[in-house]
Amino acid sequence: QSALTQPASVSGSPGQSITISCTGTSSDVGAYNFVSWYQQHPGKAPKLMIYEVTNRPSGVSNRFSGSKSGNTASLTISGLQAEDEADYYCSSFTISSTWVFGGGTKLTVL
Amino acid sequence: QVQLQQSGPGLVKPSQTLSLTCAISGDSVSSDSAAWNWIRQSPSRGLEWLGRTYYRSKWSNEYSLSLRSRITINPDTSKNQFSLQLNSVAPEDTAVYYCAREVSSGWFNWGQGSLVTVSS
Repeated sequence: QSALTQPASVSGSPGQSITISCTGTSSDVGAYNFVSWYQQHPGKAPKLMIYEVTNRPSGVSNRFSGSKSGNTASLTISGLQAEDEADYYCSSFTISSTWVFGGGTKLTVL
Repeated sequence: QVQLQQSGPGLVKPSQTLSLTCAISGDSVSSDSAAWNWIRQSPSRGLEWLGRTYYRSKWSNEYSLSLRSRITINPDTSKNQFSLQLNSVAPEDTAVYYCAREVSSGWFNWGQGSLVTVSS
């Protein structure tokens, strides 16, 4: 399967909001509400930030939110903080009963 | 609290079999609400889902289409763990391998990661 498409990098200043897009097809992102988002700091395992498009796991800040329109999902981080600087990955279930990831987006907090 | 502890060799020779194990604490491999996944990450391929095993009245497995001919994921109920076997490895299989617990279509818990290098 082809990877989902994410911007390679985004940046923002502390306190600002940023949005990361994740574009797939009608066979993955557009097919189900099974999109999740992961934050990864260098040398660490990914951490689940959003699941089923909009749900936040317990303990994840409400500054993180997710949405979806058609074949594109989005992760929005409001009130940017220095600790948000990390790589972010989206993932989606597919009609082949497999999972596909995005290529990742490096978030820089200026 | 669910914890996943990975084990296995860090160096595998080309054409041989890569084997990793993920020991589960705080949940059961036979849970009817969780699935047990393997995911790898390399600079060239990024994050790549490999496959999963889960129990819903019976055991099921699903695998990446590109690896289907080489991969096996097995549960071990006696030890509450699951394993990954990847046959006929090549240098491009060099990666950090993670096991992960999937609930409600999200990977909530991850192992610590295992760097596996394929080299002679």
